[in-house]
Amino acid sequence: SQQGEEDPQALSIQEGENATMNCSYKTSINNLQWYRQNSGRGLVHLILIRSNEREKHSGRLRVTLDTSKKSSSLLITASRAADTASYFCATVLSGGYNKLIFGAGTRLAVHP
Amino acid sequence: DGGITQSPKYLFRKEGQNVTLSCEQNLNHDAMYWYRQDPGQGLRLIYYSQIVNDFQKGDIAEGYSVSREKKESFPLTVTSAQKNPTAFYLCASSPGTSGNTIYFGEGSWLTVV
Repeated sequence: SQQGEEDPQALSIQEGENATMNCSYKTSINNLQWYRQNSGRGLVHLILIRSNEREKHSGRLRVTLDTSKKSSSLLITASRAADTASYFCATVLSGGYNKLIFGAGTRLAVHP
Repeated sequence: DGGITQSPKYLFRKEGQNVTLSCEQNLNHDAMYWYRQDPGQGLRLIYYSQIVNDFQKGDIAEGYSVSREKKESFPLTVTSAQKNPTAFYLCASSPGTSGNTIYFGEGSWLTVV
């Protein structure tokens, strides 16, 4: 079974709006990473947040991590049409090798 | 430019044939990975390698084989034993130690005809 589960599965918004995607996981982690994938392309790394961190920012992206709830969220502010993509969270388990376990992703559509 | 190069981008395989997907990285990363992605799904780990001449099975290794003879290369062979090989295959690499970012190539599409 997958370690990370994203919610919602699909999200449709207008340009300028904020987009929030959530990720839940089941077991203790070393870190959690968010990736973006444009259709038919490879994955682009967005942010890595470690288990002892609660929030990280990168440009218009904000990631939070709540280890007590085993959940993370990705917020994209002031969205643009170019943000249209699938977004995946992936976890690296505690004490384990650097192996990413992916969820099924959230498909984000940003309309002009 | 530094990065991960996968080839070919598109590959068609006849049933019963073995095919090999190439993955080369010039990032000087110790660890390399192969993932499979089916339409609308997340990624599943096929094989990974921490160092040269060493590799480990991932979650869906059956019907696949790999080699790691050089640090920069990690080819994946999809054998005829893989019953449903049509998918998008992604190669990745990382510095190796736990907690590092994993970087991905652009992927290869494999279709069985």
